[in-house]
Amino acid sequence: QSALTQPASVSGSPGQSITISCTGSSSDVGAYNFVSWYQQNSGKAPKFIIYDVSHRPSGVSNRFSGSKSGNTASLTISGLQAEDEADYFCSSYTNSSSYVLFGGGTRLTVL
Amino acid sequence: EVQLVESGGGLVQPGGSLGLSCSASGITVTSKYMAWVRQAPGKGLECVAVLYSGGRTYYADSVKGRFTISRDKSKNTLSLQMDSLRAEDTAVYYCARSSVLAYWYFDLWGRGTLVSVSS
Repeated sequence: QSALTQPASVSGSPGQSITISCTGSSSDVGAYNFVSWYQQNSGKAPKFIIYDVSHRPSGVSNRFSGSKSGNTASLTISGLQAEDEADYFCSSYTNSSSYVLFGGGTRLTVL
Repeated sequence: EVQLVESGGGLVQPGGSLGLSCSASGITVTSKYMAWVRQAPGKGLECVAVLYSGGRTYYADSVKGRFTISRDKSKNTLSLQMDSLRAEDTAVYYCARSSVLAYWYFDLWGRGTLVSVSS
């Protein structure tokens, strides 16, 4: 069981928007705006796509956006494309002894 | 090209040892915090070891006393020595670099190497 909870899978059609949730607690997601998201295409290295809840590193498409409400962070992908089909992981700073917390990952299928 | 490439994974018996290596290109392993992050089958990611640029280390409770993280400046590589391996250590192990934005973000990852602990 992962420290942060994500749905196992989501799906959407090309052009649509989807949202992936990431639920933590008042010790991590709820307490700090230090949530990040990673994209992992099959067989490839994870890619850093969101930090500080809603900021995108240079070179990341503006179709990816992040938000947070309470103990739940969300990643939204708009204008879905076939290349977006991948696994997505969230992570959060924590005030516990752990270095960082991760979610279990969500498999996005583009129909 | 900036990249991290892991090697050394394989099948090992419970109680055995294995050493992983991460070869860095385009970056210097001593300039940032470097980490090993693993993903067990069907589970989420777990940061198991970190080597800070000044040499201090972090280990997750699940591996403390059994795993050792180190680096070789001359070869520009990061290593993870894993001893007293258990079935629950079975996972894909990724080498990752902490971002200059904050240590809890990882802005560069390798593709991973699979470690299987089984008799």
